[in-house]
Amino acid sequence: QVQLQESGPGLVKPSETLSLTCTVSSGSVSSTDSYYWSWIRQPPGKGLEWIGYIFYTGSTNYNPSLKSRVTMSLDRSNNQFSLKLSSVTAADTAVYYCARGGGPSALRHAYLIDNWGQGTLVTVSS
Amino acid sequence: DIVMTQSPDSLAVSLGERATINCKSSQSVLYSSNNKNYLGWYQQKPGQPPKMLIYWASTRESGVPDRFSGSGSGTEFTLTISSLQAEDVAVYYCQQYYTTLPTFGQGTKVEIK
Repeated sequence: QVQLQESGPGLVKPSETLSLTCTVSSGSVSSTDSYYWSWIRQPPGKGLEWIGYIFYTGSTNYNPSLKSRVTMSLDRSNNQFSLKLSSVTAADTAVYYCARGGGPSALRHAYLIDNWGQGTLVTVSS
Repeated sequence: DIVMTQSPDSLAVSLGERATINCKSSQSVLYSSNNKNYLGWYQQKPGQPPKMLIYWASTRESGVPDRFSGSGSGTEFTLTISSLQAEDVAVYYCQQYYTTLPTFGQGTKVEIK
């Protein structure tokens, strides 16, 4: 069973860039099994917002509302993928989850998330 | 964007009783070419990430107890817990994956009466 673990600063100042890394174990971000490595966030006490995904080929798809500020990348040598969100404000305060969607089965879909990290709280404050 | 609206926002059910959660999408998530509804359900317990329960509106994920079932088509869907157990206390979310911008409902909190 693949395991995902987020890491990164828990506090980011307004206007700066939020940077998070997700380390994948018992699986590979380079797997050609059609996995979509995703980021989803949840403001405290609120619902879920999909941020985007990066495919093993490096292709990406971002939420249009965040697209101008989001960059995702793969680090194949360390079996990680990462999220950068620029020009953050207090509205970006949330628990950020890395997650995996898709898979080789025809029953799976890129946006069906069957594996989640535990999440990491990022607070935007000066 | 497809807006997902769940009802109720919260419900309290006695142990062993049925819990029903509704989810309505602002447009159909039924893809006519394969007759599949692009709708999933997730369970989130306090302090934990969500867990996928149901996909394609009615297919139960491996390992999910059979007291959980999903139904509906087009724009209206239901998650049913046939006999509520203490471990089912959680917030439940529906999600559409019909478009390239997946969206979630606001969540329904299920508690024990």
